[in-house]
Amino acid sequence: ETGVTQTPRHLVMGMTNKKSLKCEQHLGHNAMYWYKQSAKKPLELMFVYNFKEQTENNSVPSRFSPECPNSSHLFLHLHTLQPEDSALYLCASSQDSLGTRAYEQYFGPGTRLTVT
Amino acid sequence: AQSVTQPDIHITVSEGASLELRCNYSYGATPYLFWYVQSPGQGLQLLLKYFSGDTLVQGIKGFEAEFKRSQASFNLRKPSVHWSDAAEYFCAVGHNNAGNMLTFGGGTRLMVKP
Repeated sequence: ETGVTQTPRHLVMGMTNKKSLKCEQHLGHNAMYWYKQSAKKPLELMFVYNFKEQTENNSVPSRFSPECPNSSHLFLHLHTLQPEDSALYLCASSQDSLGTRAYEQYFGPGTRLTVT
Repeated sequence: AQSVTQPDIHITVSEGASLELRCNYSYGATPYLFWYVQSPGQGLQLLLKYFSGDTLVQGIKGFEAEFKRSQASFNLRKPSVHWSDAAEYFCAVGHNNAGNMLTFGGGTRLMVKP
């Protein structure tokens, strides 16, 4: 595997379900990010982890819970979601989140989430 | 606050024709500017970046962009478009208002006619 991988690629869940999205990067990076990409809206940053520590929570509702057990893996735990949470969730990584290195991000293909 | 505007939501060009995608930004300090491309079913890929120095930057896949401070613009260009360039293109500004983060524009979807 190379680059940034995400599983599953597609997920359909009911509003009472609990599910998790997984992201893995094989680039030796130390920063990882979750973004939400909705139709007709710019890409929204959700969370940032640098060396496993969360450094940014962009006012994300608590029904989204991130976890970063090590610098290579990032999870997004989902529970009691709403239909408006349906979107493409993108994971990204960068060398770290310091200075200009934070801006050169490598993205995974995303998980297309549908909440019914 | 920083913002990025891509005025064109959709653009259609013929294969072989030239391309220019517009990007305007609003940011108080010297901006770091980027173009990313997203092919269908894929994540975003960095095309090119501007930090400082020469205002005309070259990227991958034959793309270039020019930073014009007076116009607060960073337009993306390609002299001859290929069918494989059909994708969505995102302009972004890097800033450190609260940590080092990217703010993205809304994207421009490029369609290429044969």
